Amino acid sequence: EVQLLESGGGLLQPGGSLRLSCTAPGLTFSSYAMSWVRQAPGKGLEWVSDISGNGGSTYYADSVKGRFTTSRDNPKNTLYLQMNSLRAEDTGVYYCVKGVAVFNYYGMDVWGQGTTVTVSS
Amino acid sequence: QTVVTQEPSFSVSPGGTVTLTCGLSSGSVSTSYFPSWYQQTPGQAPRTLIYSTNTRSSGVPDRFSGSILGNKAALTITGAQADDESDYYCVLYMRSGIWVFGGGTKLTVL
Repeated sequence: EVQLLESGGGLLQPGGSLRLSCTAPGLTFSSYAMSWVRQAPGKGLEWVSDISGNGGSTYYADSVKGRFTTSRDNPKNTLYLQMNSLRAEDTGVYYCVKGVAVFNYYGMDVWGQGTTVTVSS
Repeated sequence: QTVVTQEPSFSVSPGGTVTLTCGLSSGSVSTSYFPSWYQQTPGQAPRTLIYSTNTRSSGVPDRFSGSILGNKAALTITGAQADDESDYYCVLYMRSGIWVFGGGTKLTVL
């Protein structure tokens, strides 16, 4: 059974930076696109970013474009989300989600447990 | 700005059948949008039910099914059970590499 393990969440001030990580032990990691999805407190799900299996293609929601960067280290089976210029509205639980194929458009299947990011002064 | 629409709430009787829908503020949903469906209970991570319109994720019982009905994607739950009471989210692929989630449907089983 595939497991996704996120880490790196925390409390920080507006304007700060944070890097989230997601590891997938035992997965043929490069065979799957990966996504980040977030959920603000009491709100619905919001897609944040996708990256293709080889890392060559990345996509971002308008709300984070230019501030967030998604990358992956396939030999380490690890996905990253570098978040800069953080705002209060970036507060929420960030989920790492595995794609069902090497490119992102087929969909997502396995979700991590989530890591919490709180941006507050 | 494309908006993905879902019913805010729905109720179903135990053992009954319910169909939740996922539409677009402008235009029709087709298989080209690769609609997916997720179930979430409070405090838990979402669980994938359906992806690519009608493919059940691993371990999902066959009483959950996905389809295109008219101009919307649909999630049908047959034989509703008490533990189906959850929030249900759909997401659509917008062909520019981005996904847009609907606002979610709160399903009550009573």
